Amino acid sequence: QSVLTQPPSASGTPGQRVTISCSGSSSNIGRNGVTWCQQLPGAAPKLLISNNNQRPSGVPDRFSGSRSGASASLTISDLRSEDEADYYCASWDGSLHAWVFGGGTKLTVL
Amino acid sequence: EVQLVESGGGLVQPGGSLRLSCAASGFIFNNYWMTWVRQAPGKGLEWVANINQDGSVRQYVGSVKGRFTISRDNAKNSLHLQMNSLRVEDTATYYCSSGDFFDYWGLGTLVTVSS
Repeated sequence: QSVLTQPPSASGTPGQRVTISCSGSSSNIGRNGVTWCQQLPGAAPKLLISNNNQRPSGVPDRFSGSRSGASASLTISDLRSEDEADYYCASWDGSLHAWVFGGGTKLTVL
Repeated sequence: EVQLVESGGGLVQPGGSLRLSCAASGFIFNNYWMTWVRQAPGKGLEWVANINQDGSVRQYVGSVKGRFTISRDNAKNSLHLQMNSLRVEDTATYYCSSGDFFDYWGLGTLVTVSS
């Protein structure tokens, strides 16, 4: 059971907007930034968003992140088939003195 | 171009030891935190340990404390994970990651703990 809670699955059709949630607590998301990673099938993870809403260079602006209180969300606009992947949120937990990940959300593009 | 290449994985019996390495290139290695993250087969990501720029701060997930040791050699741009008293539940692909927020990732090395 993960410290951060994500829905196990999400789906959308090409061109749609999809939002993936990540729920934590005051010791992690409520106090520290959220990181989002994308893992394409059979590949290593890749950084998508850091510090709640910062995109590294090379990440399309279709991907955006936000945080409110102890929850965060990743929004993917103009959904494409190549976005089909597993998405993970992560945050530093000040009580556990550890990074914690969500269980991951498998995104299917219908 | 940033490159992280893990090595040292393999099959080991429960109670055994293994030392993983990560060769880094394409960035100033001693400017960044380094991290090990693992992924059990068919499961999600789990943070294992990280180490600060000069090696003076090392942090571990509870399940590996006392068994795993993270270290780095800034002269050789390399990161290591010494894993002792291995358990079946340590079976996973181990990824090396650089930066404060998992900025870059290697392709991983598979560790299988089985009798």
